[in-house]
Amino acid sequence: NAGVTQTPKFRVLKTGQSMTLLCAQDMNHEYMYWYRQDPGMGLRLIHYSVGEGTTAKGEVPDGYNVSRLKKQNFLLGLESAAPSQTSVYFCASRDYYEQYFGPGTRLTVT
Amino acid sequence: AQSVTQLDSQVPVFEEAPVELRCNYSSSVSVYLFWYVQYPNQGLQLLLKYLSGSTLVKGINGFEAEFNKSQTSFHLRKPSVHISDTAEYFCAVSDRPMDSNYQLIWGAGTKLIIKP
Repeated sequence: NAGVTQTPKFRVLKTGQSMTLLCAQDMNHEYMYWYRQDPGMGLRLIHYSVGEGTTAKGEVPDGYNVSRLKKQNFLLGLESAAPSQTSVYFCASRDYYEQYFGPGTRLTVT
Repeated sequence: AQSVTQLDSQVPVFEEAPVELRCNYSSSVSVYLFWYVQYPNQGLQLLLKYLSGSTLVKGINGFEAEFNKSQTSFHLRKPSVHISDTAEYFCAVSDRPMDSNYQLIWGAGTKLIIKP
């Protein structure tokens, strides 16, 4: 099992560009999450999904959109990137109690 | 709303010395408590969890944590640290795992720095 994978691992964007981050899990989990991690702020939840075809807003959803068309995939989109979105992005899926994390995507917006 | 406080942003400690990383949460209702570890340039992985039962919880790599309901704390300890324990440690809390809106509330993290 690969667990949770994320692509790409690194990306540099210019302000105003768009991109999509892909998260894939092979554990058949219903729940999936997108977080951003910034120094000294821990993890902040952007969006999450409780099953295929569902999405919901987390703590910091502005500037991001998500889709969960297939159970194993959870996509995070940035329509018009801003420097404030420079961060490390983590995807996670969960079974009943435990969340399993991907290796992260380091995004820099210049 | 639930909140989590990790009192130390960094904890330097000599190799083979004991360490305690502190975590306090805001609500005294039934909670589920977790410690995750993030090694440099990696994702997070579960170190240990408290769901119910014994208040002393043992995890991987020799770590343990004690749930103290009266003090709303869940401090992480290891009797003797190794250089390989260098990482950032996150405390997280949830009070509603059965709910479809289940979320973990995260502390800001504590960087454990091992001095040789």
